[in-house]
Amino acid sequence: AQSVTQLDSHVSVSEGTPVLLRCNYSSSYSPSLFWYVQHPNKGLQLLLKYTSAATLVKGINGFEAEFKKSETSFHLTKPSAHMSDAAEYFCVVSDPFSSGGYNKLIFGAGTRLAVHP
Amino acid sequence: DTEVTQTPKHLVMGMTNKKSLKCEQHMGHRAMYWYKQKAKKPPELMFVYSYEKLSINESVPSRFSPECPNSSLLNLHLHALQPEDSALYLCASSQDAQNSYEQYFGPGTRLTVT
Repeated sequence: AQSVTQLDSHVSVSEGTPVLLRCNYSSSYSPSLFWYVQHPNKGLQLLLKYTSAATLVKGINGFEAEFKKSETSFHLTKPSAHMSDAAEYFCVVSDPFSSGGYNKLIFGAGTRLAVHP
Repeated sequence: DTEVTQTPKHLVMGMTNKKSLKCEQHMGHRAMYWYKQKAKKPPELMFVYSYEKLSINESVPSRFSPECPNSSLLNLHLHALQPEDSALYLCASSQDAQNSYEQYFGPGTRLTVT
């Protein structure tokens, strides 16, 4: 079965410093991986996705993630944090062999990013 | 256009009320989903519609009744809810339900059951 672990429940950075949100996955086959962001009282917005093409994936708002098969990781990074980046971030793996025959999204527990002036 | 819209934004209802949540997408997606999200938790899948047919019901109580009138619309009918059903209800859509396509989420309906 597919699973995903977000290694930090909270991350706090200063504005202008780099952001690193860590995610490890477990999969018995080549996974599709996603990062979503959720601002307070909002829906989830897709930041980026990995679907077995380039291992370095660029997303919106300056975020990128690198797929490392040897480390089963898909960490999210941004060179310089902005106050508007403060939000909840979810690492997600798809499970195309879930019961019911549909492609189920498996969510990590989430990482809350705080950005301080 | 990658927008999924949901109405209403907020809903307060008593335990004896009947209400409906609505979701709409115009991306030509053939799969639509309802999720429930409690505070500080990831979304939990409730229902999956594929080509306007209910494909998955994740053991959701019958007081929640989904409906897909056409390929662009998804409703969630609510009746005799409990206070513990208070949550953010999210609708999502994707190209189809079988492949690893990303899902696009709406802004959600914040439901409070009194």
